[in-house]
Amino acid sequence: AQSVTQLDSQVPVFEEAPVELRCNYSSSVSVYLFWYVQYPNQGLQLLLKYLSGSTLVKGINGFEAEFNKSQTSFHLRKPSVHISDTAEYFCAVTSSKAAGNKLTFGGGTRVLVKP
Amino acid sequence: EAQVTQNPRYLITVTGKKLTVTCSQNMNHEYMSWYRQDPGLGLRQIYYSMNVEVTDKGDVPEGYKVSRKEKRNFPLILESPSPNQTSLYFCASSLGRYETQYFGPGTRLLVL
Repeated sequence: AQSVTQLDSQVPVFEEAPVELRCNYSSSVSVYLFWYVQYPNQGLQLLLKYLSGSTLVKGINGFEAEFNKSQTSFHLRKPSVHISDTAEYFCAVTSSKAAGNKLTFGGGTRVLVKP
Repeated sequence: EAQVTQNPRYLITVTGKKLTVTCSQNMNHEYMSWYRQDPGLGLRQIYYSMNVEVTDKGDVPEGYKVSRKEKRNFPLILESPSPNQTSLYFCASSLGRYETQYFGPGTRLLVL
């Protein structure tokens, strides 16, 4: 069975500072990894995804993530955050053995950007 | 505009009163899913569908039903809602199995 752990439930950060959101997964087979963002009172939208190829993945709004197979991690980073990055971020995993289009989500990390 | 729509956006009901939350997508996507979001638990899949008339259970299907009679629609049915089904519900669709899922705006349900 696949699972995802987001190690920080909340991350306060000052504007223009860097941020890293940690995500660890467990799966016995090849995985496909996603980061989604949820702005207040909205649905989720995709930030970036890793399917194969380069382990450094660049997404929208200046975010990037690095897939580390040996550490089973997929941490999300942004070098300089803006107030508008205040949101909840979800790491998600699926695999070749997952039924249908099943995505398993982590518990989420709330990012609060302070001026 | 490509989108997933859900209705209603907010719903207050009482225990045992049947309700349906509609979901529709205009992207001709094969896959559709329902999730519920609860604080600290992230999103958990309730049901998914891989095509018309093909549906299967996700992680938390108890108390829910779905149907997929048309490609664009995937309604979620609560035959006898209970307070533990109070949650935020999201519908999502995707073109393929490992493709990006596009989420609707959410339906906030309160069962008294």
